[in-house]
Amino acid sequence: AQSVTQLDSQVPVFEEAPVELRCNYSSSVSVYLFWYVQYPNQGLQLLLKYLSGSTLVESINGFEAEFNKSQTSFHLRKPSVHISDTAEYFCAVSASTASGGSYIPTFGRGTSLIVHP
Amino acid sequence: NAGVTQTPKFQVLKTGQSMTLQCAQDMNHEYMSWYRQDPGMGLRLIHYSVGAGITDQGEVPNGYNVSRSTTEDFPLRLLSAAPSQTSVYFCASRGLAPYNEQFFGPGTRLTVL
Repeated sequence: AQSVTQLDSQVPVFEEAPVELRCNYSSSVSVYLFWYVQYPNQGLQLLLKYLSGSTLVESINGFEAEFNKSQTSFHLRKPSVHISDTAEYFCAVSASTASGGSYIPTFGRGTSLIVHP
Repeated sequence: NAGVTQTPKFQVLKTGQSMTLQCAQDMNHEYMSWYRQDPGMGLRLIHYSVGAGITDQGEVPNGYNVSRSTTEDFPLRLLSAAPSQTSVYFCASRGLAPYNEQFFGPGTRLTVL
């Protein structure tokens, strides 16, 4: 079965500092990779996704993630965070297996980004 | 479009009671799913459906039932609530192809006493 590991459960950082949230997944035949954000007391919403093509994908609010096939990683980065970025971030993978398994997405356990003033 | 809607937003049950969490979407999505979110556990898939009349179990299906009689609705039933089912429940939908993003509802916070 597919697995997704988010290496940090909590990442505290000061405002305007850079941040990286790490995500690794188990290898598969083909993958689609997603980062979702959950603001307090809300549902999840898509931040960005990788489907194919350029390995670097960007969101409209300054986050970017790089797909690294050899490392099976999809780390999320932002060069300068803001207080409003405080939220829970989830990495998710939809993948097929060599035996032709289904594309049910698998989520990581989440990383809580806490931005301090 | 309303997107994915869930009712109720909050619910308190006593052990042994039953209830149905409602989920509806107006995007004509074939794929719908239910997750529970617990601290430190992330999102765990309960049940999912790839179309009307088709449902299947996820990672943690015990104690929950689902049905999918229409494309729009995907209710989750708790037949006999237990304290271990205290959680926040999210419904999600997406187009069937796996490269589609999931759209999540606002969640239902359930407490079982």
